[in-house]
Amino acid sequence: DAGVTQSPTHLIKTRGQHVTLRCSPISGHKSVSWYQQVLGQGPQFIFQYYEKEERGRGNFPDRFSARQFPNYSSELNVNALLLGDSALYLCASSWGFTTGTEAFFGQGTRLTVV
Amino acid sequence: GQQVMQIPQYQHVQEGEDFTTYCNSSTTLSNIQWYKQRPGGHPVFLIQLVKSGEVKKQKRLTFQFGEAKKNSSLHITATQTTDVGTYFCAGPNGSRLTFGEGTQLTVNP
Repeated sequence: DAGVTQSPTHLIKTRGQHVTLRCSPISGHKSVSWYQQVLGQGPQFIFQYYEKEERGRGNFPDRFSARQFPNYSSELNVNALLLGDSALYLCASSWGFTTGTEAFFGQGTRLTVV
Repeated sequence: GQQVMQIPQYQHVQEGEDFTTYCNSSTTLSNIQWYKQRPGGHPVFLIQLVKSGEVKKQKRLTFQFGEAKKNSSLHITATQTTDVGTYFCAGPNGSRLTFGEGTQLTVNP
């Protein structure tokens, strides 16, 4: 059974550009969450989607947006990239809406903004 | 908002020595989760503690949840080089997990 898959694995973008990151959750999981992990820090929550609806949003600017598709896969979009957006972007899937069960993380997308 | 703090930030040990990382939350937690992230990897779930005062063991790893459900610890007995990585605790906050900053463990063979 496939785990959480993210694409691409690495990405280099220029300041001001737009980026789209993709995530496919574990089969049967309806919840997808996005986290940003800056080097040397813990993951920071960006969004949670459950049953295609946004259920939580972290303290990130409106340049960050996301959506979940009918097959429960998800996209994270970041507009007007800044150097500070350089980070590892992690997608996590889980069974339910709440954080009462373990989160399964994908391998992440390493975004570098130059 | 909820804050989760971990100490120490770094720990260097000789293989065979013990290791402990501590986690404290600014709020009472319904549960606490521990994750391990190997260098260049992604966080991998280790365990979830739910009950006040709960202690769980996984081979050489011992996890504790404080009586007040605001603190937790992870103890590794007789570290091995395979234990290298960053250990994170995470507390639920609504639909999100709030992660600590992690403790980076290095093990010298």
